[in-house]
Amino acid sequence: DSGVTQTPKHLITATGQRVTLRCSPRSGDLSVYWYQQSLDQGLQFLIQYYNGEERAKGNILERFSAQQFPDLHSELNLSSLELGDSALYFCASSVAGLGVYEQYFGPGTRLTVT
Amino acid sequence: AQTVTQSQPEMSVQEAETVTLSCTYDTSESDYYLFWYKQPPSRQMILVIRQEAYKQQNATENRFSVNFQKAAKSFSLKISDSQLGDAAMYFCAYLYNNNDMRFGAGTRLTVKP
Repeated sequence: DSGVTQTPKHLITATGQRVTLRCSPRSGDLSVYWYQQSLDQGLQFLIQYYNGEERAKGNILERFSAQQFPDLHSELNLSSLELGDSALYFCASSVAGLGVYEQYFGPGTRLTVT
Repeated sequence: AQTVTQSQPEMSVQEAETVTLSCTYDTSESDYYLFWYKQPPSRQMILVIRQEAYKQQNATENRFSVNFQKAAKSFSLKISDSQLGDAAMYFCAYLYNNNDMRFGAGTRLTVKP
C-alpha cells in the first residue's frame, strides 16, 4: 500500500459524458501527478500540482482539467468523453515540487467509455 | 525530448535464476533520475529502485540491482534469485526536474517454476 488513495476504482460511462476522478496523496506529500495508461499510448504524464498550484503540464487534452484543493487532494475532470479516453488513470504523489523525489502511485481508476 | 526505450517486450526466467531487463534513454541533461517500476496483474505501480544520475555507484535493493552507464545512456535492471512474485510488467522511467516522468513501453517478465 503506497498510501495514495484513488476513487472510484472503476468507472463506466457513455461517450459525451463528464466524470471526476479523485486522489488523496500520501500524508505529507505536497505534489500530485496524474498519469494515463492506455494500450496504444502507454503511460503518459498528464499534469502536476504542487501545494494547490499547477506546476507542469504534459499530454493533457483540453477536455481534461485538474485541480488540487487546500487539503491537498486532487481531482481530474474528464469531459466530452470519447471511446479513446478509456484507460487506467493513475495519481501519484511525492514530497515536494522542487528537487527530485520518487513518486508513489495510487491503485488507479479504470475508466471505460462505451 | 527525453525518450525511454525498452527493447524487450517480453522476457522469461526460471525461478531462482537471474534476469536482466534493458533500458536506454535519450537526454541532453546531466542531472536526472532513473527508476524501475513494477506493475503486477493488480495494476498497482510499485517503485522497485531509483538511480541518481550524479551518483557513479549502481543502486541496489535486495535482489534488485541496476547497471547504470551514463555515457551510454543505459539503465538495466538485474533481478537475482527470481521468484514467482517477480512476474509483472517492468517499466523504466526517466525524471528531470520533478515533473513529466517519461516511461518506456515496458517489459513483461514471466517467471517459470
